[in-house]
Amino acid sequence: AQSVTQPDIHITVSEGASLELRCNYSYGATPYLFWYVQSPGQGLQLLLKYFSGDTLVQGIKGFEAEFKRSQSSFNLRKPSVHWSDAAEYFCAVGESGGGADGLTFGKGTHLIIQP
Amino acid sequence: GAGVSQSPSNKVTEKGKDVELRCDPISGHTALYWYRQSLGQGLEFLIYFQGNSAPDKSGLPSDRFSAERTGGSVSTLTIQRTQQEDSAVYLCASSLAVSTLQETQYFGPGTRLLVL
Repeated sequence: AQSVTQPDIHITVSEGASLELRCNYSYGATPYLFWYVQSPGQGLQLLLKYFSGDTLVQGIKGFEAEFKRSQSSFNLRKPSVHWSDAAEYFCAVGESGGGADGLTFGKGTHLIIQP
Repeated sequence: GAGVSQSPSNKVTEKGKDVELRCDPISGHTALYWYRQSLGQGLEFLIYFQGNSAPDKSGLPSDRFSAERTGGSVSTLTIQRTQQEDSAVYLCASSLAVSTLQETQYFGPGTRLLVL
């Protein structure tokens, strides 16, 4: 069965500093990979997704993620964070070639922005 | 346009009572998903619908959980004889199709369920 690990439960970053959120997945075939953000009181919003092709994926709000098959990782990055980026971030994996089982989510990383 | 809507936004119930949670997907979206977000388990997939087809119920945690989708649009998640461990936020998502995960799932704001 597929699984997703987000090793960092909380991360604190100063405003303007760079950010990297880690995500590792376990899946036998080519995964479909996603990053979602959940702000307080808000629903989940898709930041970016990877299916194939260029391993560096650009998303909304200045985020990007890089798929590294050799490391089974899909880390999320942003060069300079803003206070509005404070939220919960979820990495998710889906089964390529079908969506029957929905998405498998990591437990999330809570991002805190220091002024 | 309108996003995925869910009602109620909050629900408090007593242990043993039945509850119904409603999801209105984005118009034109044929695929609909239910997820549960709880402190101990994170986000877990429950069930999905594609149009009017029979749903894949493999993710439902117990036979107290059921879901239906009327006319390929609105869906209702029903929890019978609620237990305290059912307390969670129930999220609904919809997408254009379920045949490929390349279709983005759009999530609703969720229903926060508290079982006393």
